[in-house]
Amino acid sequence: AQSVTQPDIHITVSEGASLELRCNYSYGATPYLFWYVQSPGQGLQLLLKYFSGDTLVQGIKGFEAEFKRSQSSFNLRKPSVHWSDAAEYFCAVGITGANNLFFGTGTRLTVIP
Amino acid sequence: EPEVTQTPSHQVTQMGQEVILRCVPISNHLYFYWYRQILGQKVEFLVSFYNNEISEKSEIFDDQFSVERPDGSNFTLKIRSTKLEDSAMYFCASSLGDALWGQIFDTQYFGPGTRLTVL
Repeated sequence: AQSVTQPDIHITVSEGASLELRCNYSYGATPYLFWYVQSPGQGLQLLLKYFSGDTLVQGIKGFEAEFKRSQSSFNLRKPSVHWSDAAEYFCAVGITGANNLFFGTGTRLTVIP
Repeated sequence: EPEVTQTPSHQVTQMGQEVILRCVPISNHLYFYWYRQILGQKVEFLVSFYNNEISEKSEIFDDQFSVERPDGSNFTLKIRSTKLEDSAMYFCASSLGDALWGQIFDTQYFGPGTRLTVL
C-alpha cells in the first residue's frame, strides 16, 4: 500500500537560515510527487510537483525539491527562510490509476527572528 | 489566479443533524474531490467526481455521505446524520484531468477548507 512519511512533526528555524523538510514515500513505481503549504486560515497551496524528467524541481516562493529514487525521497528545501514561510507543509503522492492523493502528516514550520 | 472556494469556513452542528458543505471549483476543471483532515491526522481522500458521477471513493465515504453538482458551478458534500467523529477540516479540490484510465496524474487545487464541529 502507498504511504507517505514526513518524519518531522515540527521544525523551528531562524529567519535567513536554510531549510530542509523531509518526505519519504512507499510505492512500487515512481509516483507523482507534490508539496503543498497551508498557512493559517488558508487552503492547501501547491508549492511544486514532480512528474518526470529533471529530479530537481523549482517551485513558488523560492522552494525547490529533489526526487531521489534510490532513497524514495522528495525533500523540500529553501536556502533562506523568511518569516512568512511559517506554515504547515504537506508532502503528497499520486499514482497512475488512482484519483486520490496520499498525504503525509505534515510538518509545521516555525520561523524565529 | 482562479481558485477553489468553500463555504462556510466553519460549521457547528449537533450530532445527528444533516450538513451540506459547499465548494466552487475552478471554472474549467472537470474533476472534483473531497478530502478531510481530522485534527492531528493526515489529510484523507473521501471521493472524486466526474461527469455527474462518483468516479472513486474511499472506505470512509459510506452511506451517510453524498456528493452532488447541483448546478454548473457548485459541488457539495452532504453528511446525512453527523457523528462526533465527523468533526474535521473538509477540503474540496478540483483538477482539469485525472489519473484514471492510465492518464497522467493531474494537479489538484485545493480550497481553504470548512471546519466542521459536531457537538
